[in-house]
Amino acid sequence: AQSVAQPEDQVNVAEGNPLTVKCTYSVSGNPYLFWYVQYPNRGLQFLLKYITGDNLVKGSYGFEAEFNKSQTSFHLKKPSALVSDSALYFCAVRVSFSGGYNKLIFGAGTRLAVHP
Amino acid sequence: DARVTQTPRHKVTEMGQEVTMRCQPILGHNTVFWYRQTMMQGLELLAYFRNRAPLDDSGMPKDRFSAEMPDATLATLKIQPSEPRDSAVYFCASGLRRDTEAFFGQGTRLTVV
Repeated sequence: AQSVAQPEDQVNVAEGNPLTVKCTYSVSGNPYLFWYVQYPNRGLQFLLKYITGDNLVKGSYGFEAEFNKSQTSFHLKKPSALVSDSALYFCAVRVSFSGGYNKLIFGAGTRLAVHP
Repeated sequence: DARVTQTPRHKVTEMGQEVTMRCQPILGHNTVFWYRQTMMQGLELLAYFRNRAPLDDSGMPKDRFSAEMPDATLATLKIQPSEPRDSAVYFCASGLRRDTEAFFGQGTRLTVV
């Protein structure tokens, strides 16, 4: 089955330290991978995506993600965390099905808490 | 500033009542998704439209839920009759090609009492 997994329910990090939010995927064919962030009582905001090309993708608010095909991972990273980065982060994969349509499937989400 | 607009933002209704949620996708986007978010289930895909045609609604309880796109500027999600277990935040998202990101609305927070 095509899916995406976020193994950590919550990640805690001190302000100024680097952060990593993990994501692994299982799809057939080439994956189209996305990261979204959700602040309280808000919709999901797009952070970055991997379609093809460089394995290191840079996105909004200083975030980046590294695509690793051999490990089927797409971990989100930031060199120096801010308290304002505290939010719920979702990894997603766009998968294709027969009939010419595709779905955007989300992981369960990881809550990032950055402490002063 | 293009955005997906959802109405209403909040809805409280009694069990058994009909609920209609509306979504205005970004102009020019040909793909519309409906998601439901709960603490227990996370983000569940309910329905997916492309060029106004429903391509996948396998995630939607068929007996009470229905989704339509009367025109390219409006998508609706209807629950009839509503039940307390339908309480959740419902998100609409729109997009273009598979290699582009989907844009989400602010959501409709539904409470069924």
